[in-house]
Amino acid sequence: DIQMTQSPSSLSASVGDRVTITCRASQRISTYLNWYQQKPGRAPNLLIYTASGLQNGVPSRFSGSGSGTDFTLTISSLQPEDSATYYCQQSYSTPWTFGQGTKVDVK
Amino acid sequence: DVQLVESGGVVVQPGGSLRLSCVVSGFTFDDYAMHWVRQAPGKGLEWVSFISWDGGSTSYADSVKGRFTIFRDNSKNSLYLQMNSLRAEDTALYYCAKGPYSTATELRDWGQGTPVTVSS
Repeated sequence: DIQMTQSPSSLSASVGDRVTITCRASQRISTYLNWYQQKPGRAPNLLIYTASGLQNGVPSRFSGSGSGTDFTLTISSLQPEDSATYYCQQSYSTPWTFGQGTKVDVK
Repeated sequence: DVQLVESGGVVVQPGGSLRLSCVVSGFTFDDYAMHWVRQAPGKGLEWVSFISWDGGSTSYADSVKGRFTIFRDNSKNSLYLQMNSLRAEDTALYYCAKGPYSTATELRDWGQGTPVTVSS
């Protein structure tokens, strides 16, 4: 199975800060990498698909990049509503696997 | 609007069985592959299972292989997860989910989840 490792596990940043979350796959997965945002008590929300595709309706301050084994999710200007946990997920091969999550706190 | 509504989650004893359902509306069900994803209390997301549009192809996480079975009834717009030999570690909120198109590799549409508790 492909293991997905996110870093950091948590971070705290201020409104307007640029935030970067990284995700590393245990083997090459091309660009079969998605990012989700989850707020407490809610289902996950798709942000980024195939590494860099911005899902309709997602603010443009969110962006994704990477290929192979290393990927990043960037929030260009952190907003209060971005307080959430973020997960990467590979869909290169089954079983699909998620990273352990990164909890983002907005100061 | 696309809707996915899970049900069937209850408290069950270790070793017991349970069947979860996901009834969908707002899209042509038999055009889409479907997935189950779970989340243990306070933990991260875990992909559980996949089924192709026609039920001809399925896949499972190692943690549930041989114990869980995914199936669907396209005439009823329904997805199911038969869960046998349940363990405490199967305690989680179970979501059904789908992508934006039939062979999508991302999960765009999610239900609200149904909670399963395995406890004596």
